[in-house]
Amino acid sequence: AQRVTQPEKLLSVFKGAPVELKCNYSYSGSPELFWYVQYSRQRLQLLLRHISRESIKGFTADLNKGETSFHLKKPFAQEEDSAMYYCALNGGSQGNLIFGKGTKLSVKP
Amino acid sequence: KAGVTQTPRYLIKTRGQQVTLSCSPISGHRSVSWYQQTPGQGLQFLFEYFSETQRNKGNFPGRFSGRQFSNSRSEMNVSTLELGDSALYLCASSFGSGGHYEQYFGPGTRLTVT
Repeated sequence: AQRVTQPEKLLSVFKGAPVELKCNYSYSGSPELFWYVQYSRQRLQLLLRHISRESIKGFTADLNKGETSFHLKKPFAQEEDSAMYYCALNGGSQGNLIFGKGTKLSVKP
Repeated sequence: KAGVTQTPRYLIKTRGQQVTLSCSPISGHRSVSWYQQTPGQGLQFLFEYFSETQRNKGNFPGRFSGRQFSNSRSEMNVSTLELGDSALYLCASSFGSGGHYEQYFGPGTRLTVT
């Protein structure tokens, strides 16, 4: 079955500390994975796709097929990074996304 | 560029009624997808339309249906509403070509079924 698991509901770190948001997936084919972010009172927005291999707002994510993981990382967290983060898997077509339950990141001053 | 718009933003309906939600995508985007967001189940894929054709459907009962018009605007309909249909309904429009991909979400329609 296709599934995305984000084991942490809440992650709290101090400003300047490294942050890693975990995401594990279950998919039989070649996965396409995404990270989405939702800041308070804002729309859900695409943060990055594993295919593009970009660094957005200092965040990176590497697909590890062996561990079926796609963890989101940032070396130095900022207070403005506080938000809800969702990992998602392409379930077969462009808009067919399977979302994890999300991790709320809180960056304390 | 105007963002994805959804109407109405809030809706209160009674069990058994039906409802139609509308989504206007970013100009030039031909793919529109719908999602249901609830505290218990999180974000769940409903369906995806591309050039007026339903390309994929999530695991929802037949009471949930949708369509897309020639101008890429999309509507979703829920018939015989149940209390459990209370949720935030999000739509997203996307465009992908070569290595370029963009996707934008609307603000959502908050549906309350009483």
